[in-house]
Amino acid sequence: AQSVTQLDSQVPVFEEAPVELRCNYSSSVSVYLFWYVQYPNQGLQLLLKYLSGSTLVKGINGFEAEFNKSQTSFHLRKPSVHISDTAEYFCACGNSGGYQKVTFGTGTKLQVIP
Amino acid sequence: GAGVSQSPSNKVTEKGKDVELRCDPISGHTALYWYRQSLGQGLEFLIYFQGNSAPDKSGLPSDRFSAERTGGSVSTLTIQRTQQEDSAVYLCASSLAGGGDYGYTFGSGTRLTVV
Repeated sequence: AQSVTQLDSQVPVFEEAPVELRCNYSSSVSVYLFWYVQYPNQGLQLLLKYLSGSTLVKGINGFEAEFNKSQTSFHLRKPSVHISDTAEYFCACGNSGGYQKVTFGTGTKLQVIP
Repeated sequence: GAGVSQSPSNKVTEKGKDVELRCDPISGHTALYWYRQSLGQGLEFLIYFQGNSAPDKSGLPSDRFSAERTGGSVSTLTIQRTQQEDSAVYLCASSLAGGGDYGYTFGSGTRLTVV
């Protein structure tokens, strides 16, 4: 079984400031890791993913995440946020073998303050 | 189609009525998933289809919930005798088969309100 923990339900940050959204996972097997973004009244959109290789993963809209196996973390970062980044962000993990059932965290609402 | 399409986008129903939610996945995506997103909650897995079969339906919350997929394409999620706790956004996603490295493409969801 696997689980994903997003400790921060809401993160307010001023425009142009950096942000980090935290994610920790638990799994007994190797995992793939994902971040999804959900804008108001829309479905989820894939932001970035870690499959293997380099632990620093770059995604769309200037976001990046770093896989840390020893800390079982996959935190999402952006050096300078914009108003348009206001959304809910979901961390997720899936099994690296077999079929891909993805487990999602409870989400973090990023509120960018002008 | 170009994306995952779900219908209706909004559904208000009376307690005790049956509802059907539809999902049209991306053409060629053999894997299809249903999730439920309740207010303040994360995404709750409901069921996974590979082709027309459902090897994992472990997330269906009760026997009032059922789903089918035909032609390896369209899927319908049916909720019988709806209850107020069924109110949520129901999200469908599809992905290419063959491993867990593709990520999902989500539809915009169906917001179900049971009154």
